[in-house]
Amino acid sequence: NAGVTQTPKFQVLKTGQSMTLQCAQDMNHEYMSWYRQDPGMGLRLIHYSVGAGITDQGEVPNGYNVSRSTTEDFPLRLLSAAPSQTSVYFCASSSWTGPGSQPQHFGDGTRLSIL
Amino acid sequence: EDQVTQSPEALRLQEGESSSLNCSYTVSGLRGLFWYRQDPGKGPEFLFTLYSAGEEKEKERLKATLTKKESFLHITAPKPEDSATYLCAVRNAGGTSYGKLTFGQGTILTVHP
Repeated sequence: NAGVTQTPKFQVLKTGQSMTLQCAQDMNHEYMSWYRQDPGMGLRLIHYSVGAGITDQGEVPNGYNVSRSTTEDFPLRLLSAAPSQTSVYFCASSSWTGPGSQPQHFGDGTRLSIL
Repeated sequence: EDQVTQSPEALRLQEGESSSLNCSYTVSGLRGLFWYRQDPGKGPEFLFTLYSAGEEKEKERLKATLTKKESFLHITAPKPEDSATYLCAVRNAGGTSYGKLTFGQGTILTVHP
């Protein structure tokens, strides 16, 4: 039972480069989201999706792009990397958060450094 | 705007020394309060969900409680393997059925043998 899988685990980029962080889940969850975790800031929501073809912005969306073509995958794209995007990125998924709000399941993160 | 504040930032305990972690929150319609455990280099691992004031959940040495303004994570007779960062998060009712999850900064717990 893989759960939420993130690749790569580590990445170093130069300023201005672009890249895609991959996230896949095998739990048939409708809801998927991306967070970044910075020291002293807690986890902050970047983008989220409630199903294939449906995405929306979170708290800190600037500089990031997402799309969701399948239920399983939710990639995060950095359009032009900046040092301020150095962080640990987490992908999470959950079943439909209706009246009984369901917990999110997290991957183990991608540690990204922008030089 | 939803806010979650956790205290203390760090807590050092001796093995067997019980204590509590605090999570104070303000949210526009609470849909759920979540506790997670995070080990170094790993993603958050779900522990509990609490939905309404007065609710309590237990798991091994951990017990989570909820009031209208705060939640406590009580740790009874902790062991070194309980050392981790504990995160609290709230989900608001939002304008849709999925809402927004807001996290606190976490409490780093270290249990010495």
